[in-house]
Amino acid sequence: EVQLVESGGGLVQPGGSLRLSCAASGFTCSDHYMDWVRQAPGKGLEWVGRTRNKANSYTTEYAASVKGRFTISRDDSRNSLYLQMNSLKTEDTAVYYCTGGSHSNRWYIDYWGQGTLVTVSS
Amino acid sequence: DIQMTQSPSTLSASVGDGVTITCRASQSISSWLAWFQQKPGKAPNLLIYEASSLESGVPSRFSGSGSGTEFTLTISSLQPDDFATYYCQQYYDYPLTFGGGTKVEIK
Repeated sequence: EVQLVESGGGLVQPGGSLRLSCAASGFTCSDHYMDWVRQAPGKGLEWVGRTRNKANSYTTEYAASVKGRFTISRDDSRNSLYLQMNSLKTEDTAVYYCTGGSHSNRWYIDYWGQGTLVTVSS
Repeated sequence: DIQMTQSPSTLSASVGDGVTITCRASQSISSWLAWFQQKPGKAPNLLIYEASSLESGVPSRFSGSGSGTEFTLTISSLQPDDFATYYCQQYYDYPLTFGGGTKVEIK
């Protein structure tokens, strides 16, 4: 059974930084595309960014709203995914979900963690 | 960016009803579309990928169709567990984008 468990959320002041972690089990992260998706309170889903798998050199893509401020990375030895968030803004307040992809001609989002809440406020 | 527009935004229905949710893309996305179900306080759950492929373990009352710019999610006979919010999402191009969601409520 695939499990993705996020951690690292919390309260941070505007302009601050936070690093989210996602630990995977039943699933080898290096074989899969992985994404971060967020959901502001009472709002819809917003894609944050993607890291491709090892076969595709772990290259990344980001939403325009976070590009240059957020960085996705991996640690294969820990089977984990990370989201480094810098220069945080109040509009980054959201539940952040770690997701794992599956492939059928193209990679799609399949597995989801339970989410971790990030609150950016003074 | 590819805009995904869902309709309706809210749908009221009764147990046993058949319902259809529509998702329109601002440009052709071929069949690179997924549907997710989300219940309050929970993570989304994949229902359909590649427009019409049913995810393993998802009940057969859920079905998806469409290609190009117009897609539908159909629930053939609503069950109490189906009252939730549904999102479509394109994975044809970056940035990946979601529809605004359709809340299915009890009538």
